[in-house]
Amino acid sequence: DTGVSQNPRHKITKRGQNVTFRCDPISEHNRLYWYRQTLGQGPEFLTYFQNEAQLEKSRLLSDRFSAERPKGSFSTLEIQRTEQGDSAMYLCASSLAGRGGISTYEQYFGPGTRLTVT
Amino acid sequence: GENVEQHPSTLSVQEGDSAVIKCTYSDSASNYFPWYKQELGKGPQLIIDIRSNVGEKKDQRIAVTLNKTAKHFSLHITETQPEDSAVYFCAAKGRIQGAQKLVFGQGTRLTINP
Repeated sequence: DTGVSQNPRHKITKRGQNVTFRCDPISEHNRLYWYRQTLGQGPEFLTYFQNEAQLEKSRLLSDRFSAERPKGSFSTLEIQRTEQGDSAMYLCASSLAGRGGISTYEQYFGPGTRLTVT
Repeated sequence: GENVEQHPSTLSVQEGDSAVIKCTYSDSASNYFPWYKQELGKGPQLIIDIRSNVGEKKDQRIAVTLNKTAKHFSLHITETQPEDSAVYFCAAKGRIQGAQKLVFGQGTRLTINP
């Protein structure tokens, strides 16, 4: 399967613990995005990377959240001191930035990591 | 910032009939409008998209129309089948240099009745 993969698929943690999620984008996709989706809502943008550079961050990304993409391939999203309000589906997407002045916008999503904070 | 409104929140149609979902956006500079289908327990799947320089796009049973003047776009599914049952999301992307985020609507739960 050459789609976006995310691990783990489910995570249950106690309030106050730290959690880390991993995303592997589609091979050769140089843009990688993190979104959060709560029940009954559309995904909300958190942050995105082009290669290893983090270029845009949402105000939703509090100082307890940190995302990295050290080698421009996979990415990790860490949440420190989790709170019950962090319970959500965390989605990763990837896309291919334009080459030769041609932009591509299509974002392809992974299956998500469902976080439950008890 | 961009705001996307989606209607209806739920839609039930008979198998074989057509379904239409509508979205409005607030930022007239937005230039890309994708539609996603999300099944239970899965991530959103891109099913069709349209750019601001095109008024309509069709792919087999699904089509999207865009009215830039009114700032709204719609998803049309014809000859609906039970496997079309899912939650559908519209989204919009702004045109600010470097801005890549998608802003999503609230979703429409589509049920196809056999």
